[in-house]
Amino acid sequence: GQQLNQSPQSMFIQEGEDVSMNCTSSSIFNTWLWYKQDPGEGPVLLIALYKAGELTSNGRLTAQFGITRKDSFLNISASIPSDVGIYFCAGLFSGGGADGLTFGKGTHLIIQP
Amino acid sequence: DAGVTQSPTHLIKTRGQQVTLRCSPISGHKSVSWYQQVLGQGPQFIFQYYEKEERGRGNFPDRFSARQFPNYSSELNVNALLLGDSALYLCASSPTRTGQTQYFGPGTRLLVL
Repeated sequence: GQQLNQSPQSMFIQEGEDVSMNCTSSSIFNTWLWYKQDPGEGPVLLIALYKAGELTSNGRLTAQFGITRKDSFLNISASIPSDVGIYFCAGLFSGGGADGLTFGKGTHLIIQP
Repeated sequence: DAGVTQSPTHLIKTRGQQVTLRCSPISGHKSVSWYQQVLGQGPQFIFQYYEKEERGRGNFPDRFSARQFPNYSSELNVNALLLGDSALYLCASSPTRTGQTQYFGPGTRLLVL
């Protein structure tokens, strides 16, 4: 099935550093969602974006809906140990009907002591 | 408020068997979607149901079927199990027909031997 291009695949950072990851698609979406998934659990919704150019924050997390509607970015400021996990972007094009989310392969965030 | 619940949490089956997975959406949500997540990948869309009707279907064989009940809970059925069906099966609920802003359950881990 189709998947989004999510990068980087993994990140090794020090506690306190800022993190940036992005997602690109060959198709346009009218919703972008960012999720975090811990081992053995379901994805947890972090941020939802509904309009091109939209910039939304949730605590230390900030995400943007690209103006081309084909990309999105997630930034995490001042990382802490509990930020470790896999981050997924997901896009939705709901053009009158209904369809499912298209996911990226995930960015593994690892915080080095 | 309770989130999305799924049962069972884990399941072991053998090839050729049939399996039924269950999902209860967040109270007030009428849309339920099913996803398959194999190790190392993002979730892949299987079905979306809204108001007991199928609204979307991903690229999965006819061995996969689902239904939604009057209380908006849902079941996913998989017949003639293959080894490749081993995965985490996720259910997501949404308050809207188009499936924007989907909230995931913890998943059912299916192992096919």
